[in-house]
Amino acid sequence: EVQLVESGGGLVQPGGSLRLSCAASGFTFSSYWMHWVRQAPGKGLVWVSRINSDGSSTSYADSVKGRFTISRDNAKNTLYLQMNSLRAEDTAVYYCARDSVWFSNYYYYYYMDVWGKGTTVTVSS
Amino acid sequence: EIVMTQSPATLSVSPGERATLSCRASQSVSSNLAWYQQKPGQAPRLLIYGASIRATGIPARFSGSGSGTEFTLTISILQSEDFAVYYCQQYNNWPPSITFGQGTRLEIK
Repeated sequence: EVQLVESGGGLVQPGGSLRLSCAASGFTFSSYWMHWVRQAPGKGLVWVSRINSDGSSTSYADSVKGRFTISRDNAKNTLYLQMNSLRAEDTAVYYCARDSVWFSNYYYYYYMDVWGKGTTVTVSS
Repeated sequence: EIVMTQSPATLSVSPGERATLSCRASQSVSSNLAWYQQKPGQAPRLLIYGASIRATGIPARFSGSGSGTEFTLTISILQSEDFAVYYCQQYNNWPPSITFGQGTRLEIK
C-alpha cells in the first residue's frame, strides 16, 4: 500500500525550531518529487515547499523562504522539513504529498496524488 | 502569483442532485488544474488532474472541464459521502507556481 506518514509536530514557542518527517512506503520514494503543504486551522490549503527526486533542487513559498528547509534521505525513504524562526502564523497541519506528472499532447500536467494524514504544528507562547 | 478563485464558497445541494463547482484562475493555466476533496479531519484526496482526467478509483459521477482560466467540477448524482470541501489547484512546474483556491464547501440541503 502506498503510504505517507508525517511526524514531528508539536507545540513550540515563537522563534523556535521544529523538524518534521514524512516516512514513505509502498512506492519507489527516490523516483518522486515531494511536497509539503499546510493548512491553518479552519483555513484552506497552502503549498509550502517542493524537492526533486535526488534532493538537488528545492523551491519554497515566499512566506517560508529563508526559514524552512526541505530535504530528503532516499536511503531512509524519508522527507524532512526543518522549520526555524517559527511564527504564530506557521500554526497549521502540515501534510507531505507525492508529486506526479501526466504527459499528453506534448505537455506535462502536474498534481499531487498521494497525501499523508498530516502532523500538527502549534506556535504559541 | 496566480490567484485561484472558487465559487460559490458554500453550495447546498440535496442528495441525488447535481452539483457544479467553479474555479477561476487570474491568468491562463492551460489545463494544469487539479481538484481535491477534503473531509473533516482527513487529508485531501486527488479527484481530477489535467482539468478533466479522473484519478485512479474516482467514481464516474465526478467530472472536470475547462481550460485557460475557467474550470468546473461537476458531481452528477450526489451521494452522502460527497459532502466535503473541494479545492482546485494550479501547478506550473517552472518557475514553480503552485496555488490552491480557497475551497467550496458542499453541504447537504
